[in-house]
Amino acid sequence: GAVVSQHPSWVICKSGTSVKIECRSLDFQATTMFWYRQFPKQSLMLMATSNEGSKATYEQGVEKDKFLINHASLTLSTLTVTSAHPEDSSFYICSVYPGNQPQHFGDGTRLSIL
Amino acid sequence: RKEVEQDPGPFNVPEGATVAFNCTYSNSASQSFFWYRQDCRKEPKLLMSVYSSGNEDGRFTAQLNRASQYISLLIRDSKLSDSATYLCVVNSETSYDKVIFGPGTSLSVIP
Repeated sequence: GAVVSQHPSWVICKSGTSVKIECRSLDFQATTMFWYRQFPKQSLMLMATSNEGSKATYEQGVEKDKFLINHASLTLSTLTVTSAHPEDSSFYICSVYPGNQPQHFGDGTRLSIL
Repeated sequence: RKEVEQDPGPFNVPEGATVAFNCTYSNSASQSFFWYRQDCRKEPKLLMSVYSSGNEDGRFTAQLNRASQYISLLIRDSKLSDSATYLCVVNSETSYDKVIFGPGTSLSVIP
């Protein structure tokens, strides 16, 4: 199955900082990657679909100017949380859909904004 | 109605018990169904896919009822290591390659 690497695994930043999270598909060329967010004691919520070479597709209620997604190659998608505030503190996780298989997830990034 | 709903839990069961989780989904055209488990502060890990005829993997049995749009997971002979949150996952109504997670059901297996 696909191997997905996500970095960093843990970030603690001051309010107002922009934070970039990387998601790499190590053994699968992913034209599409997915970004999820999970608040404490809640389930994973899809934020956006990252499309290689084109604009990301955002789910309803997710601010595209707040959460910038770049998918410049078939193996790398990045999520940048711009001007992060404490309410953006969450567990962010990416996934890859290899086709005819279940999705494979990165290890996730725990973001804490002070 | 939410796309995927699950028993709210939590379930607290003694070791060796049998426990069943239920899940319902709203999209009658869904084709892909999974159970994932998520340990605290970790990424979800695939437990098993769910097939139309039902399937079993060791102590775990998954069932699918398309007519009722219902999925179940049965865990027999519960172990302490089974303690986790169990997530029912169904492909999205809007896109086949997107999946929607249920809210999860928490299981604690007690010695």
